[in-house]
Amino acid sequence: DTGVSQDPRHKITKRGQNVTFRCDPISEHNRLYWYRQTLGQGPEFLTYFQNEAQLEKSRLLSDRFSAERPKGSFSTLEIQRTEQGDSAMYLCASSPPRDRVSGANVLTFGAGSRLTVL
Amino acid sequence: AQSVAQPEDQVNVAEGNPLTVKCTYSVSGNPYLFWYVQYPNRGLQFLLKYITGDNLVKGSYGFEAEFNKSQTSFHLKKPSALVSDSALYFCAVRSYSGAGSYQLTFGKGTKLSVIP
Repeated sequence: DTGVSQDPRHKITKRGQNVTFRCDPISEHNRLYWYRQTLGQGPEFLTYFQNEAQLEKSRLLSDRFSAERPKGSFSTLEIQRTEQGDSAMYLCASSPPRDRVSGANVLTFGAGSRLTVL
Repeated sequence: AQSVAQPEDQVNVAEGNPLTVKCTYSVSGNPYLFWYVQYPNRGLQFLLKYITGDNLVKGSYGFEAEFNKSQTSFHLKKPSALVSDSALYFCAVRSYSGAGSYQLTFGKGTKLSVIP
């Protein structure tokens, strides 16, 4: 396993179009996260899955955003009716079940999917 | 709410000199703190974490961080900077949202430039 994979790496779209990003986490990781990062800012949390269940969604995730993780493996993040303000890097991360030694999870990030909305 | 602050947008240091990237935190309860590094067009890479125990934590690539509870700080340090250390550095704190849900809250990042 080579880590967290994200596809596509770059997406340019016109305002109003729908886009979908895919994330393949590390195979033994049951936790999956989506973050958004804009220029000059740190990553902002969007949503979290534990296995196939979506346990948390940020207020940043408007109703135009939807994320799924069928069968608890890969995940998709769809943005409908894109707006210029959606232009950002969308980062996916995964982590194993709770670290029994330290009690804290280390997130492993993918390289990200950069979205440009014209 | 848990939060971290990185007071410096940019840090410049000469190659071979020691470097420090600052981070302060605000949490309720015991803090779980992390440092990540981001190279251009790459995802974030984990450097080190503090959970409990020794206040000086050692991590990847020769980096270390010092946890200071009284000053609520978790500064990243390296004794001798390399040009290849030039990157964006992010401090993060673990936030607990209930029902076993944890996530990381990141600072805005500090751009480190190591000058040859």
